[in-house]
Amino acid sequence: QQQVKQSPQSLIVQKGGIPIINCAYENTAFDYFPWYQQFPGKGPALLIAIRPDVSEKKEGRFTISFNKSAKQFSLHIMDSQPGDSATYFCAASRPINNYGGATNKLIFGTGTLLAVQP
Amino acid sequence: DTGVSQDPRHKITKRGQNVTFRCDPISEHNRLYWYRQTLGQGPEFLTYFQNEAQLEKSRLLSDRFSAERPKGSFSTLEIQRTEQGDSAMYLCAVRRLAASYEQYFGPGTRLTVT
Repeated sequence: QQQVKQSPQSLIVQKGGIPIINCAYENTAFDYFPWYQQFPGKGPALLIAIRPDVSEKKEGRFTISFNKSAKQFSLHIMDSQPGDSATYFCAASRPINNYGGATNKLIFGTGTLLAVQP
Repeated sequence: DTGVSQDPRHKITKRGQNVTFRCDPISEHNRLYWYRQTLGQGPEFLTYFQNEAQLEKSRLLSDRFSAERPKGSFSTLEIQRTEQGDSAMYLCAVRRLAASYEQYFGPGTRLTVT
């Protein structure tokens, strides 16, 4: 059972466009939602993350929008550039519990392959 | 630079052989994770260490897989009697701060089983 559903599978935009990638989760116990960027042959790189107490977070050209009631969150890339062409993964994890040794493992979506054309 | 190195970066092995991968965080991180990523999919959790204690193992981690973190610093992941289905990218991640959710990944080890 997939706990984090990501769409679209692939996306092509022109330079300067605003690609939007969407994710939906099922487990209401999740309380941390990061996005990772991955280039071919490399490990995933943490891009931006949000907790459910806010509805939006911006870091540079990257914005996360979060809708707790709908259990959805999305990544927006402003003024996209060819160098943003990569695979993007959303993820989710449960709360940290250092005393109980909780894992806080990340549950990933299936990824979106983004191509930004010059 | 995420502060995590993995070795080797690529490994080609024949079915039935044993392989071992290593993950080296640059500085001490008491929480270390292993994930597996197959082509076209997101990473999937395999196992987790808090210091040298292995606290959780995924159902994906069959009897042929074993992971260690002997001194709470570097970690190794061994696969015995490799199968073609083991072909994947094996990723190590660390959580730098106890109170932080953020996980930082290494570059991964690409395993190909022929």
